[in-house]
Amino acid sequence: EAGVTQSPTHLIKTRGQQVTLRCSPISGHTSVYWYQQALGLGLQFLLWYDEGEERNRGNFPPRFSGRQFPNYSSELNVNALELEDSALYLCASPGSGGSGYNEQFFGPGTRLTVL
Amino acid sequence: EDQVTQSPEALRLQEGESSSLNCSYTVSGLRGLFWYRQDPGKGPEFLFTLYSAGEEKEKERLKATLTKKESFLHITAPKPEDSATYLCAVEGNTPLVFGKGTRLSVIA
Repeated sequence: EAGVTQSPTHLIKTRGQQVTLRCSPISGHTSVYWYQQALGLGLQFLLWYDEGEERNRGNFPPRFSGRQFPNYSSELNVNALELEDSALYLCASPGSGGSGYNEQFFGPGTRLTVL
Repeated sequence: EDQVTQSPEALRLQEGESSSLNCSYTVSGLRGLFWYRQDPGKGPEFLFTLYSAGEEKEKERLKATLTKKESFLHITAPKPEDSATYLCAVEGNTPLVFGKGTRLSVIA
């Protein structure tokens, strides 16, 4: 089965701009998790979508938002970019499909640089 | 609040020199403890899931163990290709909480 895919691989933006990142989960699986991995901070949970609904949200400001489409792909939007938003943004999909209580498989990530 | 602490932050080994990485955790109602390997600039690669104290899992030169307070990732006779950052994560009543990882370098 196809793994988790993300696009684009790299992005460079300036402060105040907006960015959209995209993710497709493992084929046939309904859940998508978003994480931020900033230098020195480790992976931080951002958002969890399942069956088109936001199920949980990490401790991030409202300018981080997203949505999940009927085909279960997902977008992460970040508005009013700040320098500290520079990070690797990772998308993950649970291996057994949707429960959230099993191992998660990660995509390759999108490297965002904010200048 | 669920927490994960990994030690050491960095570890340098000679090829063939076995060692262990530590993951200490506090969690409300452990659903699973996960180990991942991450190469620079890439997404984490799943290694193991452990569900209960006393459980052990093995894969090639890696062996993961779990107690009620910590997990160990034992690396036996490592090779240079084992160089990576190893991440530990726990799932309780909230989504995955990750440690900051141990950066392993294996020198030939």
